[in-house]
Amino acid sequence: SAVISQKPSRDICQRGTSLTIQCQVDSQVTMMFWYRQQPGQSLTLIATANQGSEATYESGFVIDKFPISRPNLTFSTLTVSNMSPEDSSIYLCSVIQDSGANVLTFGAGSRLTVL
Amino acid sequence: AQSVTQLGSHVSVSEGALVLLRCNYSSSVPPYLFWYVQYPNQGLQLLLKYTSAATLVKGINGFEAEFKKSETSFHLTKPSAHMSDAAEYFCAVSERGSTLGRLYFGRGTQLTVWP
Repeated sequence: SAVISQKPSRDICQRGTSLTIQCQVDSQVTMMFWYRQQPGQSLTLIATANQGSEATYESGFVIDKFPISRPNLTFSTLTVSNMSPEDSSIYLCSVIQDSGANVLTFGAGSRLTVL
Repeated sequence: AQSVTQLGSHVSVSEGALVLLRCNYSSSVPPYLFWYVQYPNQGLQLLLKYTSAATLVKGINGFEAEFKKSETSFHLTKPSAHMSDAAEYFCAVSERGSTLGRLYFGRGTQLTVWP
């Protein structure tokens, strides 16, 4: 399966600032997915990033808050904008491992703490 | 939307004891079912998956899970716990024919193994 690298692995941010998380995959993939894991909560899909088109956001997530770029088939970024303490979460990048059964491979995640 | 319930946010067992992690889902139509494991500072790793073949699914590291339609359950077991099994375990489901990349996760169960 694909190997996914995320940067940063963790960061501490000030309220009101923005942070961009990078996701690099070691093979070309059509679709990349961004998930959020809030403390004590389950993982939730934020959006799907397709190369060459706008990202598709899940209900409750908007582009102004979580802009996504997908410049090529191996790379994507997620920006968390105008952060508040409620944005403190682990953000995970993932790709399809087996499309027939919707099996995903995940990166190690980026743990953000907003003060 | 799917609902995934993992009973017990923390489970502790002695080394060599049976591991049982519980997962129930809400779909009336049997979905695809997964168990993922997350070791500290690592990404989620697929332990096993149920896609419609045998109801007893064997995964890596000696884990297995049984799909029980009548109980809408997919509990994870391992006959004999090892210290290296200490990690967080996530149950996830995907509705058949659902959007690629969209999984619904439980809140996770932290497994502690005592020597």
